[in-house]
Amino acid sequence: QQQVKQSPQSLIVQKGGISIINCAYENTAFDYFPWYQQFPGKGPALLIAIRPDVSEKKEGRFTISFNKSAKQFSLHIMDSQPGDSATYFCAASIRGGKLIFGQGTELSVKP
Amino acid sequence: KAGVTQTPRYLIKTRGQQVTLSCSPISGHRSVSWYQQTPGQGLQFLFEYFSETQRNKGNFPGRFSGRQFSNSRSEMNVSTLELGDSALYLCASSLARGVQETQYFGPGTRLLVL
Repeated sequence: QQQVKQSPQSLIVQKGGISIINCAYENTAFDYFPWYQQFPGKGPALLIAIRPDVSEKKEGRFTISFNKSAKQFSLHIMDSQPGDSATYFCAASIRGGKLIFGQGTELSVKP
Repeated sequence: KAGVTQTPRYLIKTRGQQVTLSCSPISGHRSVSWYQQTPGQGLQFLFEYFSETQRNKGNFPGRFSGRQFSNSRSEMNVSTLELGDSALYLCASSLARGVQETQYFGPGTRLLVL
């Protein structure tokens, strides 16, 4: 019930393409869903986050789509760039508590 | 504003030893959480401290402990190290708790147990 399932495990996208990463959860008490980006040797950095009362949130090239009834949310990276190559983690929490992370997606954007 | 800092950045220990890791949160942040990151298990929550009190604990053995000081700085300790404790230990700070606050991560301490 506390799990967050993330797919795919790895993703290769051409420069300029759209990268899509999906996450699913079971616990309907989750009320905060952030996405983190992690480069090798660095800690995770917050990319974008959404609350369940919103179906979509966009910040620059990054968009979260949220489907409350399906208990799924996804990250879309538009116009993907080689600099976006990193590992992406979705997460969920309840009232700002501990983050439950997905297993991560290793994104590689080919020039 | 300086970010979350963690010391040391790298550490090599042998089985049976103990280790203490340190975390300084972003200035003004009062909540500190610790996570363990491994290739096999991913990112897993260890514990959370707020106002010098442990507020939440993950599913780790009692060998893992922590504390928070009055200036919000935090330390975590692992006693009787095992090979499986080799991991990246991440500290995250947030302004408060009980609300949907963003957690900001430090660069981590990479621990290798031989």
